[in-house]
Amino acid sequence: GAVVSQHPSWVICKSGTSVKIECRSLDFQATTMFWYRQFPKQSLMLMATSNEGSKATYEQGVEKDKFLINHASLTLSTLTVTSAHPEDSSFYICSARGGTSDNEQFFGPGTRLTVL
Amino acid sequence: GQNIDQPTEMTATEGAIVQINCTYQTSGFNGLFWYQQHAGEAPTFLSYNVLDGLEEKGRFSSFLSRSKGYSYLLLKELQMKDSASYLCAVSNGNYQLIWGAGTKLIIKP
Repeated sequence: GAVVSQHPSWVICKSGTSVKIECRSLDFQATTMFWYRQFPKQSLMLMATSNEGSKATYEQGVEKDKFLINHASLTLSTLTVTSAHPEDSSFYICSARGGTSDNEQFFGPGTRLTVL
Repeated sequence: GQNIDQPTEMTATEGAIVQINCTYQTSGFNGLFWYQQHAGEAPTFLSYNVLDGLEEKGRFSSFLSRSKGYSYLLLKELQMKDSASYLCAVSNGNYQLIWGAGTKLIIKP
């Protein structure tokens, strides 16, 4: 149980385009979803926290107009990187909290974004 | 401020035992997690401690002392596949996970 999927697992795009990443909790209802970014050889950096049906809470330094988060249902959250640039190339990971454990976060497999 | 400290890198020998320490200072405490992360992959859950003491799970054990703001992850009978980064994370009073920078564990034959 407690499986989280992400799609796509990797994407390569041209500079200036927008990329949407989906995060789904497959067998539980996620009360909260988190979006992280990880650059090579660095730790996870929390970008934003989203609760179903409400606006996401962004961490300091994360542009909410650039990283659009939609948490439309208890099993789906999307992150859209708008007008992506090479410096946005990173490993994006979502996690979800819910189900029988209200404390543990269950991680998706991550999405590798490369912006050319 | 809130911070998590753990060593940047450790090296150990296959078959041996290694202990990875983590100290923390957070606003509130709702448990401490250890995650394993292989290069290019998402973290996977290893253990969760919310009460003081030792939690054992197979070859891996995790210890917590809340009064000292200290935890360790103990790995026994090391295998080459244990080479990975080990992340310490604390759930603070708002149930946000505060992450350490991770400890890269290198296993040598």
